[in-house]
Amino acid sequence: SQQGEEDPQALSIQEGENATMNCSYKTSINNLQWYRQNSGRGLVHLILIRSNEREKHSGRLRVTLDTSKKSSSLLITASRAADTASYFCATDPNDYKLSFGAGTTVTVRA
Amino acid sequence: DSGVTQTPKHLITATGQRVTLRCSPRSGDLSVYWYQQSLDQGLQFLIQYYNGEERAKGNILERFSAQQFPDLHSELNLSSLELGDSALYFCASSVVERGGRNEQFFGPGTRLTVL
Repeated sequence: SQQGEEDPQALSIQEGENATMNCSYKTSINNLQWYRQNSGRGLVHLILIRSNEREKHSGRLRVTLDTSKKSSSLLITASRAADTASYFCATDPNDYKLSFGAGTTVTVRA
Repeated sequence: DSGVTQTPKHLITATGQRVTLRCSPRSGDLSVYWYQQSLDQGLQFLIQYYNGEERAKGNILERFSAQQFPDLHSELNLSSLELGDSALYFCASSVVERGGRNEQFFGPGTRLTVL
């Protein structure tokens, strides 16, 4: 079963625009992570935000976490063609394993 | 390059057969995780080993088994294969024992096709 649910399922934007995707989860967590997957390849870790943090930045990525609403958002600013990928949120419902959502597919048009 | 290697990259086999997927974690990582990714089920956690011992189990079928060897490489054995087992199988590794505590580094995956 999947703990996290991403929204939207798919997103198409123009190069240079911002992309925002959301993740909702069901149980309490220690942290929430975001991963990127280029078509058919392995996942790449983007950012980890701990349950006591509200916002985190890494380059063009900004992640927010609202534990009261059990939700997180990932913002990619000034998108590039290379950002075309699927993005997954992952939570640790029992600390020993990660539970991944279904992902948001982002297409950046040149 | 994550430092995690998986072999083979592609595997095509028939129903009823048995296959073994191999994973070598990043140097220094003691935890190995196995995931299955399919179109209908998404990315599912199968099993985790830490320093040779099983630590966590997910939605792993009884027909599947895994082990981690003293050199820390891991193998996932899939037997009595069915069409529905066709999927991408990923291995990931991390330093920590508790899989949720830190980032995991994913290998490139093995694409299994069962005909």
